[in-house]
Amino acid sequence: GESVGLHLPTLSVQEGDNSIINCAYSNSASDYFIWYKQESGKGPQFIIDIRSNMDKRQGQRVTVLLNKTVKHLSLQIAATQPGDSAVYFCAETFGTSYGKLTFGQGTILTVHP
Amino acid sequence: GAGVSQTPSNKVTEKGKYVELRCDPISGHTALYWYRQSLGQGPEFLIYFQGTGAADDSGLPNDRFFAVRPEGSVSTLKIQRTERGDSAVYLCASSLTQGGGEQFFGPGTRLTVL
Repeated sequence: GESVGLHLPTLSVQEGDNSIINCAYSNSASDYFIWYKQESGKGPQFIIDIRSNMDKRQGQRVTVLLNKTVKHLSLQIAATQPGDSAVYFCAETFGTSYGKLTFGQGTILTVHP
Repeated sequence: GAGVSQTPSNKVTEKGKYVELRCDPISGHTALYWYRQSLGQGPEFLIYFQGTGAADDSGLPNDRFFAVRPEGSVSTLKIQRTERGDSAVYLCASSLTQGGGEQFFGPGTRLTVL
């Protein structure tokens, strides 16, 4: 199939390394943030979320960090596996517009065995 | 259980034609969302429904685009007088409630306008 994200930032890591994917969000009023993983030919899949009253949240092998001062969000994946290879998007929303997600550009993560 | 399903998976049409894209949300999910994803970009919001009504249609690009959800379950996105610029993957998502609940996405319909 065609390659998604020909112009997206890319991150290439070795299996077992930790990965850090960054995202700059646009709206200072946003108060809810989500990271999605999208594999080729599939819809985005929820990974982890964080609300603006927090600066860190951990899941299984993933951690999201939020820096509201500089409007920056990062996703850390521990012990990256080949199955983590995908395009990763951050998304933001706020207040009464919780149904309307605004997605960032996306980052292609490639994990080499 | 079954996830969000979308039909058709691929649709090729000619410029000027009318198309309908269907979304079957997860059973019991009251909120339904449509997004459009162009190559190399993140999904772009089009419209979302809470029950049968459109709660926010601010993302529809123009009046050629219309969506319905008559019984609060299945939704249809309708595009009139298609243009080549409408070519994209159209994604549907549903969530249990509106208001920050996790949105579960379907696989999308790839629309190609020749």
